[in-house]
Amino acid sequence: QKEVEQDPGPLSVPEGAIVSLNCTYSNSAFQYFMWYRQYSRKGPELLMYTYSSGNKEDGRFTAQVDKSSKYISLFIRDSQPSDSATYLCAKGGGSNYKLTFGKGTLLTVNP
Amino acid sequence: NAGVTQTPKFQVLKTGQSMTLQCAQDMNHNSMYWYRQDPGMGLRLIYYSASEGTTDKGEVPNGYNVSRLNKREFSLRLESAAPSQTSVYFCATPRTSGNQETQYFGPGTRLLVL
Repeated sequence: QKEVEQDPGPLSVPEGAIVSLNCTYSNSAFQYFMWYRQYSRKGPELLMYTYSSGNKEDGRFTAQVDKSSKYISLFIRDSQPSDSATYLCAKGGGSNYKLTFGKGTLLTVNP
Repeated sequence: NAGVTQTPKFQVLKTGQSMTLQCAQDMNHNSMYWYRQDPGMGLRLIYYSASEGTTDKGEVPNGYNVSRLNKREFSLRLESAAPSQTSVYFCATPRTSGNQETQYFGPGTRLLVL
């Protein structure tokens, strides 16, 4: 079993929809989680970072971590066409700052 | 402050040819990483370097070699390219801010092996 599992989608929603992206992980021996956003033909960019259970909000984006069920989520409210991208979840805490990534979910927001 | 730069941006190779992908960072961190990204596979770690002069294998090292030339530069070499190495390659380095430890990625190199 891969350490981080992510449904690759693709996911297509209308503009204004609430989007939910999810990952599960199998190894409890780490401390922090990230969501990266990757536009087509670009490198991944950090979107959200969290190291504790609960919710973290940044504008239209909310990252949620449930360590008891080993589940991490990203919610996007009032989704916009500019949110169309691949979203990658990642967990950290490994040696040498290594991260483990999910496979990424391709999101398309239709105007 | 360019962050992480990669060259070339795009390359086409024939099977059996060799090439070196270059990566440079000005974020003054000891660690650097090479990933490949394939459809449906996410980012997979090829090699990493914890400090100048040290390198270690990641998840998918076969067919690749690396050199950590100095603190800024980390190169990835394909000695005999194969079609299975067609991919997008990303270089990264840690970015620490307060108690946050993340990775900062370069723009990528798209490689097509025919």
